[in-house]
Amino acid sequence: DARVTQTPRHKVTEMGQEVTMRCQPILGHNTVFWYRQTMMQGLELLAYFRNRAPLDDSGMPKDRFSAEMPDATLATLKIQPSEPRDSAVYFCASGTPPGQLTDTQYFGPGTRLTVL
Amino acid sequence: GQQLNQSPQSMFIQEGEDVSMNCTSSSIFNTWLWYKQDPGEGPVLLIALYKAGELTSNGRLTAQFGITRKDSFLNISASIPSDVGIYFCAGLFNSGNTPLVFGKGTRLSVIA
Repeated sequence: DARVTQTPRHKVTEMGQEVTMRCQPILGHNTVFWYRQTMMQGLELLAYFRNRAPLDDSGMPKDRFSAEMPDATLATLKIQPSEPRDSAVYFCASGTPPGQLTDTQYFGPGTRLTVL
Repeated sequence: GQQLNQSPQSMFIQEGEDVSMNCTSSSIFNTWLWYKQDPGEGPVLLIALYKAGELTSNGRLTAQFGITRKDSFLNISASIPSDVGIYFCAGLFNSGNTPLVFGKGTRLSVIA
């Protein structure tokens, strides 16, 4: 049963601290997305990668957020320094390779971040 | 960012009743996806639709891709308590697995 995994599941930190979230996409999926969910805004795209290359990170505050894929099995989202307004649930999703007729995205369980 | 118009925002129904929710957009989508999210979990894919007019079922769930490609609906028949959760529609503009555009969700409550 292939799944997207994310760590940590929960993170509580103080304002100004660095936060790193990790994602392991489904094996064979070469597109990885980072979404953020808040009550006010719902689900929003932060960034996404294909074949480990960033394609769009326009949804991220560039001064404090960074996203990378050091290898095909690991995607990271880092916030430095964190602020209370960053409190949200961060989801990683992996997508079936382009070219197939059935584009689909599968979500991880999320990292619930609270910045005090 | 752009979002889909999803309605209703919330529903309270009796167990055994049928449920219907829908999403509309001013833009054309190539793919419609329906997800369910339980508390503390990520969205789980329920149904994927790839062709205008397509009607697809998954157990008690049925979803349709509107012929204009600007809308989709999801029906749940004979609701049960475990149907409780938030249902999201999501659209893809392009093929090749690009970012999803989401509705704000329909919160479903089932009264036993």
